[in-house]
Amino acid sequence: EAQVTQNPRYLITVTGKKLTVTCSQNMNHEYMSWYRQDPGLGLRQIYYSMNVEVTDKGDVPEGYKVSRKEKRNFPLILESPSPNQTSLYFCASSVSLPGQRNNSPLHFGNGTRLTVT
Amino acid sequence: AQSVTQLGSHVSVSEGALVLLRCNYSSSVPPYLFWYVQYPNQGLQLLLKYTSAATLVKGINGFEAEFKKSETSFHLTKPSAHMSDAAEYFCAVIYYGGSQGNLIFGKGTKLSVKP
Repeated sequence: EAQVTQNPRYLITVTGKKLTVTCSQNMNHEYMSWYRQDPGLGLRQIYYSMNVEVTDKGDVPEGYKVSRKEKRNFPLILESPSPNQTSLYFCASSVSLPGQRNNSPLHFGNGTRLTVT
Repeated sequence: AQSVTQLGSHVSVSEGALVLLRCNYSSSVPPYLFWYVQYPNQGLQLLLKYTSAATLVKGINGFEAEFKKSETSFHLTKPSAHMSDAAEYFCAVIYYGGSQGNLIFGKGTKLSVKP
């Protein structure tokens, strides 16, 4: 089954303790992206990747890192989490840049709810 | 800064009534436009997209959206609401010439359907 898999679904941690949220897609997609969703703010892009070893900042990259060493994986790393990073995080992937080709919608994972105390 | 605006954070309709969710973009050059739906505890799912092929776009579950350049709008409609349509809906855009990877989302409109 074609899907984007995020782990974990729920995570509670303390300020300053490094964590990684994994994202994997099995559709051979070139484009991958991370978003955070906060009430009243919609989805805001954190980082995206157009292909292996190519990553770039989105609208809210501060406090986050990503890597794209393999096409299928795009982990989100919080080196020193803070309470303002408490949020719902979504990973998404697409064949190519969304809208570039008619058959490239974004496929979303089911989300990771992170709480930083 | 380029943006996308969804009017109304909450919309409530009766079952069987018309659904109208509003979306406006902020560019003189028509962008790519999308509508996504999010059911509780799930990720976002694509409803439909506009990529300049036709101004009236039909999507899944009976939804459609019309691109109107003169109004810089891409409103989502459904003639008759069903209880299962209750969800949060997001309009999203990619602007030409902007960051090539940045899909910009609106703040979302939560749709409630009353029996």
